[in-house]
Amino acid sequence: EVQLVESGGGLVQPGRSLKLSCAASGFTFSNYYMAWVRQAPKKGLEWVATISTSGSRTYYPDSVKGRFTISRDNAKSSLYLQMNSLKSEDTATYYCARQEGAGYFDFWGPGTMVTVSS
Amino acid sequence: DIAITQSPSSVAVSVGETVTLSCKSSQSLLYSENNKDYLGWYQQKAGQTPKPLIYWATNRRTGVPDRFTGSGSGTDFTLIINSVQAEDLADYYCEQYFVYPLTFGSGTKLEIK
Repeated sequence: EVQLVESGGGLVQPGRSLKLSCAASGFTFSNYYMAWVRQAPKKGLEWVATISTSGSRTYYPDSVKGRFTISRDNAKSSLYLQMNSLKSEDTATYYCARQEGAGYFDFWGPGTMVTVSS
Repeated sequence: DIAITQSPSSVAVSVGETVTLSCKSSQSLLYSENNKDYLGWYQQKAGQTPKPLIYWATNRRTGVPDRFTGSGSGTDFTLIINSVQAEDLADYYCEQYFVYPLTFGSGTKLEIK
């Protein structure tokens, strides 16, 4: 059974950093692209980052480019999201998702909440 | 960036009725080399994680009831829910994965009368 479990969320002040983790199990992690998708309170879904199977390619929307870094450790079946220079608009639930090649998210974790506030 | 527009923003239907949700893309999502539309649909119930329903615009995920049907191609897509059940109360999102940045529509809230 595919399982994705995020951790690392919490309350952080604007301008500070936070690192999210996602532990994957139930599938061959190294064979899949992985991604982060977020959802601000009572808002829609927003794609945040994608990383290729080896980690050599990463993709971001302009809203987080230069501030967020996605990475992975295939030996540990783990995905990460380093978030720097956090802003109040980054407040959201962050979901770890398995990405089917082209970009369809076929499995999602339960999410971890990040609140950016002073 | 590809903009995705969903309509209506909310809709209320009675149990047993059929509802059609619309998803329009600002550019074609059809890749001519494989004849596939790079469009997916997700269902999100209140307080829950998004659940994948449809991929490649028309393919139902394993375990998704057959009352959910995806159709369309190019720039215009629909999710049809036949014989709506009370458990279908949820937000529905479409997503284009034709090109980065990946983008979602703003969602349609399905309410039960």
